[in-house]
Amino acid sequence: KAGVTQTPRYLIKTRGQQVTLSCSPISGHRSVSWYQQTPGQGLQFLFEYFSETQRNKGNFPGRFSGRQFSNSRSEMNVSTLELGDSALYLCASSGGESWLGTDTQYFGPGTRLTVL
Amino acid sequence: QKEVEQNSGPLSVPEGAIASLNCTYSDRGSQSFFWYRQYSGKSPELIMSIYSNGDKEDGRFTAQLNKASQYVSLLIRDSQPSDSATYLCAVWSRQLTFGSGTQLTVLP
Repeated sequence: KAGVTQTPRYLIKTRGQQVTLSCSPISGHRSVSWYQQTPGQGLQFLFEYFSETQRNKGNFPGRFSGRQFSNSRSEMNVSTLELGDSALYLCASSGGESWLGTDTQYFGPGTRLTVL
Repeated sequence: QKEVEQNSGPLSVPEGAIASLNCTYSDRGSQSFFWYRQYSGKSPELIMSIYSNGDKEDGRFTAQLNKASQYVSLLIRDSQPSDSATYLCAVWSRQLTFGSGTQLTVLP
């Protein structure tokens, strides 16, 4: 089974621009979660999509948004980029059926975003 | 107060020793607990999950959960240099919340 894929792997943008990152989950997985990882804040939850609906959201400003398509692929968008948005953005997929969180989340390789 | 706290380390142990990693969490309603390993420049990978009080063993790894004390630990027996990585504790309560990680170095 192919793993979680993310594109692009690396991005360099300037302040004020916007960016779209893509995540393709493991085949059959319906849940996609997005995380931001920085040296200072660690791994922080952005949001989760399940069957094209945002099911949960972390404490990030509205500049961070996402969506999920009918084939479970997901995109996240960051508008009006700030220097502090430089981070590794990880997506993780899971079956998403368990509200107890017992579905294993499998992480993609991440997209390294640098904002200049 | 951080929701999930880990000893930030770094932690160094000699090869063959037991490495002990600790984690506390603040949400008493948390239901599922995980340990992820992250090698430098790589994404996290799940190594253990535990859902009920007590110990769970998988090879050289043992996870321990004490919900009354809101405490999760991971023991790595017979540590190998290949175990050198950052270990992330994660707690599920409607979403997965990660600790800041403990960097482990196993010295040959």
